[in-house]
Amino acid sequence: DIVMTQSPDSLAVSLGERATINCKSSQSVLSSSKNQNYLAWYQQKAGQPPKLVIHWASTRESGVPDRFTGSGSGTDFTLTISSLQAEDVAVYFCQQYYSTPYTFGQGTKLEIK
Amino acid sequence: QLHLQESGPGLVKPSETLSLTCAVSGVFISSSRYYWDWIRQPPGKGLEWIGNIYYSGSTYYNPSLKSRVTISVDMSKNQFSLKLSSVTAADTAVYYCARQGGSHPGTPIDYWGQGALVTVSS
Repeated sequence: DIVMTQSPDSLAVSLGERATINCKSSQSVLSSSKNQNYLAWYQQKAGQPPKLVIHWASTRESGVPDRFTGSGSGTDFTLTISSLQAEDVAVYFCQQYYSTPYTFGQGTKLEIK
Repeated sequence: QLHLQESGPGLVKPSETLSLTCAVSGVFISSSRYYWDWIRQPPGKGLEWIGNIYYSGSTYYNPSLKSRVTISVDMSKNQFSLKLSSVTAADTAVYYCARQGGSHPGTPIDYWGQGALVTVSS
């Protein structure tokens, strides 16, 4: 199985400041044939199902604000929220869909400082 | 607009079989080339992928659960189902049904149901 490890486990950021969450996979999730990273980021607010935010490592899902940016390739990925808003408080998960079983990071809890 | 809704018993006894159904509305499973997934989340913990089924009926299961899991599809009711046998307290979780947004296995999950809490207890 591909192990996904996120850092930090929790993060407190002031409103309007930048939030950065990292995700590392135990093996590459880059398809050389398709030149795509099989990596997604999900946002889960309290009491709700996860919501897809970023897929293919850097493609923003339709309707997601442009303050959310995904970057990275191979085994190291980052989700950046450029200017934190109150509605961004949530747990964020990365997930690889390169190979089954699909696996998720343990989650990063993002709070307001 | 696609909508997924889980249903099933909220309480299951240890050693019995957990059964959940996901009703799909907004698209016909039989005519849409998507993968349909089950994911679970123990209270306060992370996400675990259980497995999926393609509209053709082919399945992929998480090896950690493979011996106990069956995912099936009922085209006539436009729904798919999860059965997990020999449950223990460790199987207590919110169970989500979901859809992968593409016709090949390696695609992200773009739609999720609201989730169903299943507690395993005597």
